[in-house]
Amino acid sequence: GQNIDQPTEMTATEGAIVQINCTYQTSGFNGLFWYQQHAGEAPTFLSYNVLDGLEEKGRFSSFLSRSKGYSYLLLKELQMKDSASYLCAVMDSNYQLIWGAGTKLIIKP
Amino acid sequence: DVKVTQSSRYLVKRTGEKVFLECVQDMDHENMFWYRQDPGLGLRLIYFSYDVKMKEKGDIPEGYSVSREKKERFSLILESASTNQTSMYLCASSSGTGEADEQYFGPGTRLTVT
Repeated sequence: GQNIDQPTEMTATEGAIVQINCTYQTSGFNGLFWYQQHAGEAPTFLSYNVLDGLEEKGRFSSFLSRSKGYSYLLLKELQMKDSASYLCAVMDSNYQLIWGAGTKLIIKP
Repeated sequence: DVKVTQSSRYLVKRTGEKVFLECVQDMDHENMFWYRQDPGLGLRLIYFSYDVKMKEKGDIPEGYSVSREKKERFSLILESASTNQTSMYLCASSSGTGEADEQYFGPGTRLTVT
């Protein structure tokens, strides 16, 4: 079966760095997405990786290793507004998105 | 900016009622999706559509149907609402260009069935 694993909850301090991991087992691979979802709101797109390596976008970076079925989202210089859930999703061989359950990130002052 | 709108933010219905959830996108996207989101389970795909009048079952289609009569509009129908359909329902659309085809989400409808 298809499976996406990510930690349920993480806590970090304002100004620090946090890494949210995602491991996957899917039928084929056509890219990995990270979305941010604030409580009570819709998910919004953060990043897309299809090749191995690191993609940097401001304070946020996303890494992919296809051979290991592994990705992480790195958030630097954490701000209180980064408190949200972070969803990992993999596009399978049918171009369908398979979603993880999300990681709730709590930022403390 | 892509905009996806949903007809209601909050909805309360009784068991056995027929429920309509409407979704409209304004970017001429080919693909539209209906998900439900429950705590600890992530997003689960109910139905999707790649074209007008076309629909495909997702992972959990039982108890639901959909309609796409116009490209911009995708409706989710609960034929006879049950309490286990209490959930957050999210509509999304994407351009349909294949890889890197990010999905844009509406604000969601929180449905409570009593």
